[in-house]
Formats: sequence, structure tokens, C-alpha cells
Amino acid sequence: EIVMTQSPATLSVSPGERATLSCRASQSVSSNLAWYQQKPGQAPRLLIYGAFTRATGIPARFSGSGSGTDFTLTISSLQSEDFAVYYCQQYKNWPPITFGQGTRVEIK
Amino acid sequence: QVRLVQSGAEVKKPGSSVKVSCKTSGGPFSSYAVTWVRQAPGQGLEWMGGIIPLYGTDDYAQKFQGRITITADKFTNTSYMELSSLTSEDSAVYYCAELARFSVGVHYHYGMDVWGQGTTVTVSS
Repeated sequence: EIVMTQSPATLSVSPGERATLSCRASQSVSSNLAWYQQKPGQAPRLLIYGAFTRATGIPARFSGSGSGTDFTLTISSLQSEDFAVYYCQQYKNWPPITFGQGTRVEIK
Repeated sequence: QVRLVQSGAEVKKPGSSVKVSCKTSGGPFSSYAVTWVRQAPGQGLEWMGGIIPLYGTDDYAQKFQGRITITADKFTNTSYMELSSLTSEDSAVYYCAELARFSVGVHYHYGMDVWGQGTTVTVSS
């Protein structure tokens, strides 16, 4: 099973600043990676698939990059509604699908 | 817009089973597969398994093999997830999600783009 490791566990950022979240796979997943945002009490929301393609309706301030084992989600200028937990997920040769443990983005 | 509507909260005894439903509004399942994901209190997301309604093929995370069954009824547009031999560690919010398949160049990519509202399952004696 491919293990996904996210860092940092918590990221403290001021509104308007850039946030950079990392995700590492235990083996290559090529570009078979998605990112999700989850707010308290809500279901996750798909942000990115294919490592860098934004899902429908996702603002351009969210961008994904990377391939193989190392991936990054960048939020260019944090808005108040972006404070949430973010998960990466691999789907290479699923099943299984595996998630990272999440990165919490909090207000600094 | 497609919505997934899940059944209500459940309280179960250890050793029993739970069956959670997930119904699409507005027509048949529109995506490639239906998957089930759970989230224990204060914890991350855990993929449990999924089914491709068109073919009826199902797959499960190894952790749940032998005690999980996922089905999809094409006539009622409803997916079910049944988990047996429950313990307190199965207390969680259970989500269904449609796994969409996106064509990007010559490749397919996937993402869970529509989610149910979640069903809380509490296992307690």
C-alpha cells in the first residue's frame, strides 16, 4: 500500500499570505494525486486532480504541482474561507486509494 | 446539481452490523464509481472501498476485507455500505462520494467530486 505523508501537520499563516503544503508518497504515483479541503462539520471538497488540474469552481489561487513522489499545494493569497484541513490522496492503480493525514491551515 | 443523500445517524452495539445508504438526487449515478470514506472523531480520512455501478464491480481496502460489503442499486440509484462485527473503533462519520473520472490528454484521472452529508455511526455497549 502506498503511504502518503503530509507536512507540516499545522501551518499558521496570516490572511493574504502564501501557504505551501507538502505531500510525499512512499513510492511513485506519477501524477495520480488529488487534493481536498475540509472545513469543520463539512464533507471534503475536491480541489485538484491529476496533481495540478483544478476542479470545477475552484479559485485560481489554489495550485498544485509535482509528480512522482513529491507534491505541493499552494494557496497564493489566503482568504478567510481557506482556513481548513487539506488532504492529499493518491489513486495510482487503485484500489486502494490512500489519503495523507492532513495539514491544518490556521490563522496566525 | 447532483446531490448524495445519506441515511441518518446510527447507534449500534459491539458485534453488530450497520448498513448506510447513499441515494443520488436527480437521476442515476453520474460518475465512474461510488466510494465510501470514513472519518473517526478528530482523525483523517480513510478510504474503505468502492463500486462501479455500471459493472457492479467492487473493491475494498484490505483493512476491511471480510466485513464490508458495498452495493449499488441502479434502479433506485442508491448505494449501500454494510459493515459487520462492529467495535468501538468503528465509531466514525461515514461518507459516500462519487468518484469522477476525468480525461486529461491521453490519461484518466480521478477525484471524489460529489459527497454525501455524512452519517454518524456510534458503536457503544
